[in-house]
Amino acid sequence: QQKVQQSPESLTVSEGAMASLNCTFSDGTSDNFRWYRQHSGKGLEMLVSIFSDGEKEEGRFTAHLNRASLHVSLHIREPQPSDSAVYLCAVSMNNYAQGLTFGLGTRVSVFP
Amino acid sequence: ETAVFQTPNYHVTQVGNEVSFNCKQTLGHDTMYWYKQDSKKLLKIMFSYNNKQLIVNETVPRRFSPQSSDKAHLNLRIKSVEPEDSAVYLCASSHRGYEQYFGPGTRLTVL
Repeated sequence: QQKVQQSPESLTVSEGAMASLNCTFSDGTSDNFRWYRQHSGKGLEMLVSIFSDGEKEEGRFTAHLNRASLHVSLHIREPQPSDSAVYLCAVSMNNYAQGLTFGLGTRVSVFP
Repeated sequence: ETAVFQTPNYHVTQVGNEVSFNCKQTLGHDTMYWYKQDSKKLLKIMFSYNNKQLIVNETVPRRFSPQSSDKAHLNLRIKSVEPEDSAVYLCASSHRGYEQYFGPGTRLTVL
């Protein structure tokens, strides 16, 4: 069964500094890897999904995938206070109907 | 722009009651999901429904059941709620294995 772990649990960054989040998974045959964020009391907002090893950029968000290391990261360029939220790593199996397996999240706080 | 709608936003009930939550998506997707987000904020898949095929997470108690009238709707019924059912229930939809879009969630409190 796929296990997803995220680190750190929480992260405080200054506005404009790079924020880096980590996610490790147990099954390297997973189909794709996604990053969502959740503002307090809200639903999930899709940020970036990545299928192949390497890098994928969506605006200020960049995901890096290394299947051999069972690792996917998220980098937030020039974070703003409105980026303060919980960031969730999710892994999809080849049978998409099985849904996503999520990590516990990293709480990011951005201060001016 | 919200495209996955859930009602109600909140629901408070007592142990043993039956509750039903609604979910509708306007994206034309073919697959819908229900997730449970517990007090530790961990999201776990409960059900997925695609072309009349229902996939159930084996850990979901039998008092939970999904109900679908068409591919745009997937409701969740809980028969005889228990205290551990207090959580946020999130509905999502996707077109096959592509991006899943989530609704805002329904927060259930069982007294």
